[in-house]
Amino acid sequence: KNEVEQSPQNLTAQEGEFITINCSYSVGISALHWLQQHPGGGIVSLFMLSSGKKKHGRLIATINIQEKHSSLHITASHPRDSAVYICAVSNFGNEKLTFGTGTRLTIIP
Amino acid sequence: GAVVSQHPSRVICKSGTSVKIECRSLDFQATTMFWYRQFPKQSLMLMATSNEGSKATYEQGVEKDKFLINHASLTLSTLTVTSAHPEDSSFYICSANSGGASRYYEQYFGPGTRLTVT
Repeated sequence: KNEVEQSPQNLTAQEGEFITINCSYSVGISALHWLQQHPGGGIVSLFMLSSGKKKHGRLIATINIQEKHSSLHITASHPRDSAVYICAVSNFGNEKLTFGTGTRLTIIP
Repeated sequence: GAVVSQHPSRVICKSGTSVKIECRSLDFQATTMFWYRQFPKQSLMLMATSNEGSKATYEQGVEKDKFLINHASLTLSTLTVTSAHPEDSSFYICSANSGGASRYYEQYFGPGTRLTVT
């Protein structure tokens, strides 16, 4: 079993739909990261969070430390949101990231 | 946010030659940089952790003599793929953390280098 599990693996939705991507982890962490990778390959760090909720534009990330679960939400989804979204965790005293397998999101106009 | 650059973005080389990939933090000092490789439709795989002024720490299964990492300054780390083989063809990505007093390290990723070995 992977230390970081994401679901769904693939998600196709219509433009405007509310999107939720889930991430569960089985290890102790100091922080959880949500990353976005576009088809060209570049990776953008969307959020780093250790508790509660963060919001940036149409993106919202939440984490429940007790349940070891995080969600990434996208409101009013747009075709430009199409990308692979990756959940990663960092451990106490260790800067290395452990990655989930990613969720491939496709938003259809 | 902080910017990390990689050079080159794409490189094609012949089997048996060596290729150097540079990773630079442009507007911050990075005491630690990470090198990853990614195969198509797979997640990132950490190859090594590069610390400025010291030897890199390689992950299990990564050949240190084949993937030479040098972190000569606080803004530059290089990965050299020596005696490249077609199976080394992959997407190589670096990241650097912003460090600081906080225990929580934000990581900034480079745009990646696509290596093709013919």
